[in-house]
Amino acid sequence: QSALTQPASVSGSPGQSITISCTGTSSDVGGYNYVSWYQQHPGKAPKLMIYEVNNRPSGVSNRFSGSKSGNTASLTISGLQAEDEADYYCSSHTSNRKVVFGGGTKVTVL
Amino acid sequence: QVQLVQSGAEVKKPGASVKVSCKASGYTFTGYFLHWVRQAPGQGLEWMGWINPDSGGTNYVQKFQGRVTMTRDTSNTTAYMDLDRLRYDDTAVYYCARDPGISGTGGAFDIWGQGTMVTVFS
Repeated sequence: QSALTQPASVSGSPGQSITISCTGTSSDVGGYNYVSWYQQHPGKAPKLMIYEVNNRPSGVSNRFSGSKSGNTASLTISGLQAEDEADYYCSSHTSNRKVVFGGGTKVTVL
Repeated sequence: QVQLVQSGAEVKKPGASVKVSCKASGYTFTGYFLHWVRQAPGQGLEWMGWINPDSGGTNYVQKFQGRVTMTRDTSNTTAYMDLDRLRYDDTAVYYCARDPGISGTGGAFDIWGQGTMVTVFS
């Protein structure tokens, strides 16, 4: 299985909104509503930010939102803050009950 | 509280095996699939496979078939990941993570272990 495709980097100024894309196939992203997004700060374990395309776990800011269209999922961060600077990964369930991650996107707050 | 606590860092020679443990507490161990994810230095997350702690059933990514074995000890609420025939490019932080979803394989990992650094060095 191939990794999902994410842009290597995305940047924005404080207060702006940014969107990170995650492109897969009909065997993963496009076939199931099981797309998740993770935030990872250096030296830390990943943190779940979005699950099942557009659901936020308890405690995650509503500035984070998810969506999906066809084989591409997206994570939008609105009202960008300095603390949002981190690596972000998408993941998806796949057709043979496996999981695949995206390559990761480094978010920089200018 | 709900947590996963992993074993400590390991240094191994090429060709050796490593066994990483992941002790669960604060929840019903057999109620949630556990997944293993690794991250090489400076690289992204790589999913390795899952174990169903209730049945012991497993599912591995093709890349690791034949080299990885995931097991569990329900009496000690601990999962294990064995990786054989280690290579230099197996140097990575290895994480266990819990999937609370109904299927257990949705990929939404809500609880992560702290990670175990495995270094392959001659």
